[in-house]
Amino acid sequence: AQTVTQSQPEMSVQEAETVTLSCTYDTSESDYYLFWYKQPPSRQMILVIRQEAYKQQNATENRFSVNFQKAAKSFSLKISDSQLGDAAMYFCAYRSALASGSRLTFGEGTQLTVNP
Amino acid sequence: DTGVSQDPRHKITKRGQNVTFRCDPISEHNRLYWYRQTLGQGPEFLTYFQNEAQLEKSRLLSDRFSAERPKGSFSTLEIQRTEQGDSAMYLCASSFGGSNTEAFFGQGTRLTVV
Repeated sequence: AQTVTQSQPEMSVQEAETVTLSCTYDTSESDYYLFWYKQPPSRQMILVIRQEAYKQQNATENRFSVNFQKAAKSFSLKISDSQLGDAAMYFCAYRSALASGSRLTFGEGTQLTVNP
Repeated sequence: DTGVSQDPRHKITKRGQNVTFRCDPISEHNRLYWYRQTLGQGPEFLTYFQNEAQLEKSRLLSDRFSAERPKGSFSTLEIQRTEQGDSAMYLCASSFGGSNTEAFFGQGTRLTVV
């Protein structure tokens, strides 16, 4: 079974600064997808960024980028130029690429605070 | 398209009562998922439908839990004989196609069992 671990229950960052959230995972599969989801208070979870394991290039979405280290099974999220609206719970998630694989396996989450 | 809709948003029930939640996915999405999220934790997978077929169930889904998706459209999740340990946020998500597609989440139903 796959597991996802987020070792930072809480992080804080000053507005306009950069912060990195850590995520490690364990799997015996070679093909899979990794995701970062954002869950603001009382709001639905939304996808921030996605990485395909077969791609060596790290995914980037505007101010959000990842550092994907497949051999180390590490998938960190970097938020540049942090904004107050970035404050939320962030979840790292894994999904198998097998045809039957569909469930997302989530980490415990990291609560991000952005200080003005 | 208004996204994934869940009803009710909040439910308070007495222990031992039955409750039913509804999820309306994004209309063209053929896959529908239920997750449970307890306070301060990540969501845990409960079950998944492709169209009307329930293809996978977690061991978390005890025999008191049942989910349906008649006609492959909306889905219901029923919990019978609720227990205090069932108190959680129940999240529904939907997606179209394979494993690489984005799952869109609803706002969830928060269940409190007293």
